[in-house]
Amino acid sequence: EDQVTQSPEALRLQEGESSSLNCSYTVSGLRGLFWYRQDPGKGPEFLFTLYSAGEEKEKERLKATLTKKESFLHITAPKPEDSATYLCAVLITGGGNKLTFGTGTQLKVEL
Amino acid sequence: DAGVIQSPRHEVTEMGQEVTLRCKPISGHNSLFWYRQTMMRGLELLIYFNNNVPIDDSGMPEDRFSAKMPNASFSTLKIQPSEPRDSAVYFCASRFNRDRGAGYTFGSGTRLTVV
Repeated sequence: EDQVTQSPEALRLQEGESSSLNCSYTVSGLRGLFWYRQDPGKGPEFLFTLYSAGEEKEKERLKATLTKKESFLHITAPKPEDSATYLCAVLITGGGNKLTFGTGTQLKVEL
Repeated sequence: DAGVIQSPRHEVTEMGQEVTLRCKPISGHNSLFWYRQTMMRGLELLIYFNNNVPIDDSGMPEDRFSAKMPNASFSTLKIQPSEPRDSAVYFCASRFNRDRGAGYTFGSGTRLTVV
């Protein structure tokens, strides 16, 4: 069965303390891996799409990487405004346009 | 670009009543998705449409749920009769699926409470 697992469930960082969030997947065939940010009371906001192992994407303090089994979202020198829930999702071969989400990592960055 | 527009933002209804959620996708997007989010189960896909045609409704929990997309700019998700366990945030998303790199754009959601 296709599975997407995110860890940790929650993470508390001090401002400037870099860290990584993990998204591991077990799927029949990966067509794409997506990262989203979700703020309370809002819909998920698209960050990145990764397609193949070794690929990396960057946006401000965020960098996403992909291997054959997992993806990492690295947060460098985070600020309080980076506090949010980060979701990863996969597009699976034979799954059409269905995007399957992990349960997310709730990040809180404190001063 | 106003993004994906959902209405209402909040809905409180009594058990047994009919509930209709509405969505206007981004103009030009040819796929539309209905998701439900709860603390216990996270984001679950209920149904999606390509070019206004339902493609996968395997996530629709039961016959009480139905969705329509009469044209490219409007979709509804209906629950009849509603039950307390349907309480959740319902998101609509759209995408231009001919652009491989395109993300799915989500609306702000409808928070449904069934009492």
